[in-house]
Amino acid sequence: ETGVTQTPRHLVMGMTNKKSLKCEQHLGHNAMYWYKQSAKKPLELMFVYSLEERVENNSVPSRFSPECPNSSHLFLHLHTLQPEDSALYLCASSRRAGTTIYNEQFFGPGTRLTVL
Amino acid sequence: TQLLEQSPQFLSIQEGENLTVYCNSSSVFSSLQWYRQEPGEGPVLLVTVVTGGEVKKLKRLTFQFGDARKDSSLHITAAQPGDTGLYLCAGNPTGGGNKLTFGTGTQLKVEL
Repeated sequence: ETGVTQTPRHLVMGMTNKKSLKCEQHLGHNAMYWYKQSAKKPLELMFVYSLEERVENNSVPSRFSPECPNSSHLFLHLHTLQPEDSALYLCASSRRAGTTIYNEQFFGPGTRLTVL
Repeated sequence: TQLLEQSPQFLSIQEGENLTVYCNSSSVFSSLQWYRQEPGEGPVLLVTVVTGGEVKKLKRLTFQFGDARKDSSLHITAAQPGDTGLYLCAGNPTGGGNKLTFGTGTQLKVEL
């Protein structure tokens, strides 16, 4: 148990569906992240939120829309996805930059997404 | 763009053997972390190294940060099936920020 939870753990959706992934952290952190993990590829950073403000958007297609209503919760809204978006989506949290030199990140278990 | 190359990419060994995983870059990092990820789970932080030349031990695992803070190694002594997993190194770039650079990963399988 890392203190970061993600729901759902598994999701199958059609290309026309709209769904949301949820992440919650209980570690008192104030930076949160979305990563995409595909087979045979390094972990890809998608979005970074620090103090609820988006500070990083790694050229992610607009069909992925993040939302961070407070420092404990992070959402990833999905719509009109493509089959190549099928992957493990990981949420992580850490202390924000400037408060630590380590940037140690704590990950949730991920959501395994399949787009049909 | 800072890249971290890990080698080997895959490793399958017998219980009791020793192994070393390498993490290399041409860039300098202010700190470097190692994570282990098991199937169906997220990566779990094992260790953070900060000082060039630093060595840290975690039971049978020994982590070393290169003198120039561009590379790192993970050595496992007497591997056990419970060590099976994907090992990831991640570098914290100099200059601060919240963005980690993750390595390409080493998939380790330890068989009885």
